[in-house]
Amino acid sequence: AQKITQTQPGMFVQEKEAVTLDCTYDTSDQSYGLFWYKQPSSGEMIFLIYQGSYDEQNATEGRYSLNFQKARKSANLVISASQLGDSAMYFCAMREGSPGAGSYQLTFGKGTKLSVIP
Amino acid sequence: DAGVIQSPRHEVTEMGQEVTLRCKPISGHDYLFWYRQTMMRGLELLIYFNNNVPIDDSGMPEDRFSAKMPNASFSTLKIQPSEPRDSAVYFCASRRRQGRTGELFFGEGSRLTVL
Repeated sequence: AQKITQTQPGMFVQEKEAVTLDCTYDTSDQSYGLFWYKQPSSGEMIFLIYQGSYDEQNATEGRYSLNFQKARKSANLVISASQLGDSAMYFCAMREGSPGAGSYQLTFGKGTKLSVIP
Repeated sequence: DAGVIQSPRHEVTEMGQEVTLRCKPISGHDYLFWYRQTMMRGLELLIYFNNNVPIDDSGMPEDRFSAKMPNASFSTLKIQPSEPRDSAVYFCASRRRQGRTGELFFGEGSRLTVL
């Protein structure tokens, strides 16, 4: 079974609208971390936001927020007020276990291509 | 602060040739990762190091691939001999041991094309 599933290969959103990118994960660990990265057409991977499995509040970073539903094992990324510069690939990733226990690598989903329409 | 630096950014080579990709992690970062990105398989972890020691190389596809980290500021990924199916973008990433989030900092990638 895939550890990270992103079911939307591509999404379109109108400029200034909000958009939700879906991510579900599969782990039996109690401690884990969830990440979202952005990859623009230039190719670099840009870290956006992090949610720890024990965090009670949903993470927010500027226009990005993470809708964390632990029981459903979902960690959707919400981008508010979309901008043309948000057009990119978006990857959800997971670290299983806690860093203190020696878990450091991330497993990535296949990504969602977001296109923002003027 | 300088980010993760990778070279070359682009490499075109012929099948059978040796390819060496290079990476300089962020100073002070204890962990270094090599990932490969293809359309078919997405981002795959190849190998990662802690304090210059390889910890997990289970993602290395076969013996043609090798990676070294001779010191804290330099790592190489070598493919010998290269094959067309090795064409991909190879990313190096690093992170420090401490820190709550533990995000990886990626380089800009090395795009490899094997003809």
